[in-house]
Order: sequence, then C-alpha cells, then structure tokens
Amino acid sequence: QLQLQESGPGLVKPSETLSLTCSVSGASITNNTSYWGWIRQSPGKGLEWIGNIFYSGSTYYNPSLRSRVVLSIDTSNSQFSLRVNSVTASDAAVYYCARQQAGYSFRDWGQGTLVTVSS
Amino acid sequence: DIQMTQSPSTLSASVGDRVTITCRASQSISVWLAWYQQKPGKAPKLLIYKASSLESGVPSRFSGSGSGTEFSLTISSLQPDDSATYYCQQYSGDSRMFGQGTKVEIK
Repeated sequence: QLQLQESGPGLVKPSETLSLTCSVSGASITNNTSYWGWIRQSPGKGLEWIGNIFYSGSTYYNPSLRSRVVLSIDTSNSQFSLRVNSVTASDAAVYYCARQQAGYSFRDWGQGTLVTVSS
Repeated sequence: DIQMTQSPSTLSASVGDRVTITCRASQSISVWLAWYQQKPGKAPKLLIYKASSLESGVPSRFSGSGSGTEFSLTISSLQPDDSATYYCQQYSGDSRMFGQGTKVEIK
C-alpha cells in the first residue's frame, strides 16, 4: 500500500526558503501513470494546488506561485521535494504531498505537515 | 487558468436529507473533475473521480454528475458522518485547481 510522508522544518523565517520532502513507499515513484503533487491549506482556508512533478522531471505549477516555487524529484531515493522562496506569513499552511494517478486525480495523500512562518 | 466556483459555501441539513453541491468551471473540462471530503485535521479523501465514478470504498449515497462546465455532488441521504467540507477539483490540462469548498453541517 502506498504511503506518503512529508518531512521538513516546521518553522521558517520570513524572506527565507521553505523546503519540504515527501518520501514515497509502497509504490514506484517512476510509475508512468503517476504524478506527484504538493497541495497546501492555510489555517481555516481551502485547498491550494501548488504543483505536480512527473518522474522524468517534468513540472506543472500553479501560475500564482510559479515564480517562487521549485519542485524536484529524486527517483533513486523515492522522494520528491518542494521549495518555496522568499516566504511570507501567507505561506504558513499545512503542506500535503499526494499522488495523482492518471484519470483519478489525487487518490493518495500524506498526513500533512504544518509550516509556520515567523522570525 | 481554469477557475472553479463552488456553491453554496455552507449548507445545513438534517439527517436523511438529499444534499447537492455544485461546481462550475470557467471553461470546459470535459469530465475531468474530482470531489473530495475533508474532515478537520485530516487529509482530503477522494470520493468521486472523472465526474461520476465512485472511488472504491465510498458509500453509494455519494454520487457525481456533469460534464463540460457544470458539475454536482449529491448525497442522497445525509448521515451524521457526512459532516465535513467538500471540494471539487479539476484535472484537465496541466493545472489542478480546487474550488473554494462547501462546509456541510448537520442540523
């Protein structure tokens, strides 16, 4: 059974870079029907799609975040990562990693990790 | 960008009621729409994919319909466990935008 686990600092200072990693187990990260995504949810707010990455390295970003976000993938370690540059208080959120299977959208989710932005 | 608009933002209904949530896309997305249920402190759970296909293990009281730009999620007989926030999400093309959510409360 697929498991996704987010990891990374829970506290980031304003103007610095937020970096999170999602570890994949129970399925191959190189499966050619799977896209790997990041979604966030600010406190009391709705879900915001950040971006997706394919095992080949192809990326797809939310236009509103494209200028500050970078997704990467490490197939040898079955991990994919998120970097958000120049964070502000509005980047404070629970960050989820998820798998999108072709035709199904996001079927599998990590438990989420809370990131706070504060000096 | 394809934008998703959900309505209503909140609804309150009684156990046993039939409940419908609508989602509108700013342009045609064919049938590439999913519905999720989210309870407080939990990750979203996929209920419906491809507009009307029921995810395995999801109770049959949940159903989805629509195509193009107009979609709906129906709960045929509302149960106490259905108290949650529901989100639509489009997955046409390269983007994966969510609707703003509908909070369902039990009277």
